[in-house]
Amino acid sequence: QVQLQQSGPGLVKPSQTLSLTCVISGDSVSSNSAAWNWIRQSPSRGLEWLGRTYYRSKWYNDYAVSVKSRITINPDTSRNQFSLQLNSVTPEDTAVYYCARVVGLTSPHFDYWGQGTLVTVSS
Amino acid sequence: QSVLTQPPSASGTPGQRVTISCSGSSSNIGSNYVFWFQQLPGTAPKLLIYRNNQRPSGVPDRFSGSKSGTSGSLAISGLRSEDEADYYCAAWDDSLNGQVFGGGTKLTVL
Repeated sequence: QVQLQQSGPGLVKPSQTLSLTCVISGDSVSSNSAAWNWIRQSPSRGLEWLGRTYYRSKWYNDYAVSVKSRITINPDTSRNQFSLQLNSVTPEDTAVYYCARVVGLTSPHFDYWGQGTLVTVSS
Repeated sequence: QSVLTQPPSASGTPGQRVTISCSGSSSNIGSNYVFWFQQLPGTAPKLLIYRNNQRPSGVPDRFSGSKSGTSGSLAISGLRSEDEADYYCAAWDDSLNGQVFGGGTKLTVL
């Protein structure tokens, strides 16, 4: 059984960096069949896919156009986890952030999700 | 503004059959599979239907999905009170090179 456990601060100041971590159990961040994603949800933007990291003989990252200039997703093989960094946040980045596993690369087969982290951007 | 379009709300009485639509374009639903998720209050979305019409183990056969052209549809038969939730469709978008979601449909069981 795959489990994803998220951690990170729930309050970030405007212009600073949002950082979250997702620890994987029951699978490997280096899996050759899965990809590891960050998704957020807010009343104004609904569910929004932010990006992913995956390993297929080497590491790849894909990011949503809306956040491409501000986002970094990194795998950590020693801790079997992956992280999200979103720079220069504004109140518009206030949302519940989820990590999720997807099977395959070109379909939203999100079969396991983290518990969600509410991140509020406010001074 | 979500890439996929869903009605904001739907409703039905216990035992009824309800359908929820999801409209997209040639770059997403028109050329890729449709997925459906159920979200209960305060919880993460749960995979309900994958590859247009497949159910993960544990999902009752009261839930079914279909796709036609650039639209997908979720049907729930024998409606039950515990089906009251938000439902989201999703697909891969070839133009955006990413996953896209619908805005969600809030299902109320009257």
